[in-house]
Amino acid sequence: DAGITQSPRHKVTETGTPVTLRCHQTENHRYMYWYRQDPGHGLRLIHYSYGVKDTDKGEVSDGYSVSRSKTEDFLLTLESATSSQTSVYFCAISEIGGGNQPQHFGDGTRLSIL
Amino acid sequence: TQLLEQSPQFLSIQEGENLTVYCNSSSVFSSLQWYRQEPGEGPVLLVTVVTGGEVKKLKRLTFQFGDARKDSSLHITAAQPGDTGLYLCAPNQGGKLIFGQGTELSVKP
Repeated sequence: DAGITQSPRHKVTETGTPVTLRCHQTENHRYMYWYRQDPGHGLRLIHYSYGVKDTDKGEVSDGYSVSRSKTEDFLLTLESATSSQTSVYFCAISEIGGGNQPQHFGDGTRLSIL
Repeated sequence: TQLLEQSPQFLSIQEGENLTVYCNSSSVFSSLQWYRQEPGEGPVLLVTVVTGGEVKKLKRLTFQFGDARKDSSLHITAAQPGDTGLYLCAPNQGGKLIFGQGTELSVKP
């Protein structure tokens, strides 16, 4: 298995609170991604990073911010959580970008916002 | 706009049966990946197809990329309970993967 650790694995929080999810990799891959997975929608890209301090928006970036201060860590922050952000969040990494290369996924964080 | 459609959404079959799942779009893609996801885990890559008409085999799984690179299929021969999971197609659009909603397959012993 690719060395990807997501934390926490489960979290329950209240509307309006800030939440930060962490993705840690030991593969030294350049690209890192955050997705959310919801029934009927598959996986949707939130933000991605193509290097330290280099990030870009994905399909569903509103309400989310990211930071990458080190190659191995990619943080996803929900600045003021809403119930619509209840979801399972997956981090993925790839050695090369461009969409032809495999992405390796973590095991997800299940986030519930009450 | 729904760019990608996977069918069927759910499939429940008996061990030993054959099945095909489909991934269709009106867009042309430069490549397409298939992933399999088990409950509580992240998706795992099965295959990448790049050339129109390309066929790839992975044991009992056969993947085909349409000639026009707008669609793909996954055929499983003699399904086993270990094939149970969510099968996701993910075409490459503009350098990023877009994921279908998946086909949830259940293979009963």
